[in-house]
Amino acid sequence: EVRLVESGGGLVQPGGSLRLSCAASGFTFHMYWMSWVRQAPGKGLEWVASINYAESENYYVDSVKGRFTISRDNAKNSLFLQMDTLGAEDTALYYCAITQGVPSGTYFQDWGPGTLVTVSS
Amino acid sequence: SYELTQPPSVSVSPGQTASITCSGHEVGDKYVSWYQQKPGQSPMVIIYQDNKRPSGVPERFSGSNSGNTATLTITGTQAMDEGDYYCQAWESRAHVVFGGGTKLTVL
Repeated sequence: EVRLVESGGGLVQPGGSLRLSCAASGFTFHMYWMSWVRQAPGKGLEWVASINYAESENYYVDSVKGRFTISRDNAKNSLFLQMDTLGAEDTALYYCAITQGVPSGTYFQDWGPGTLVTVSS
Repeated sequence: SYELTQPPSVSVSPGQTASITCSGHEVGDKYVSWYQQKPGQSPMVIIYQDNKRPSGVPERFSGSNSGNTATLTITGTQAMDEGDYYCQAWESRAHVVFGGGTKLTVL
């Protein structure tokens, strides 16, 4: 059974940093693209970033470029999102997702339960 | 930037057909996927690459995509289908784009 479990969320002050993790199990992690998708409270879905199997390709939404870094550790079946210079607009539930069909047929096959990031003073 | 536009809400009676649209410039040239999200739950893909249905998704869900509109159709809508629905596509510059979401009410 596919399992994705995010962690690392919490309350952080504006300008601060946070590192999210996603522990994956039940599938061959190193064979899949992975992504982060976020959802602000009461709002819709927003894609954040995606990374390929070998960390040789990654994509970011414009609003996080230069502030967020997606990475992975295939030996530990883990996905990460380093978030720096956080602002109130980054407050959201962050989901980790298995990503298929990259690029033109991209879709998110499985999702974790999410980890909540709150940016506030 | 590329945008996908969905109606904020759609209402349907039980047993009837619900259609949720997703409009975007020449979206018919792109692959569109659809996600269902129920309150307090993570999204779940119900249609991918225009019209493919993952295993376990009921046959009453179908998708089509042509011109400037992609459509999710739910035939014989059930009360359990209530929730939020999002379309999503890949665009070469923006990469992944989601629609704003549609709240489906079954009444």
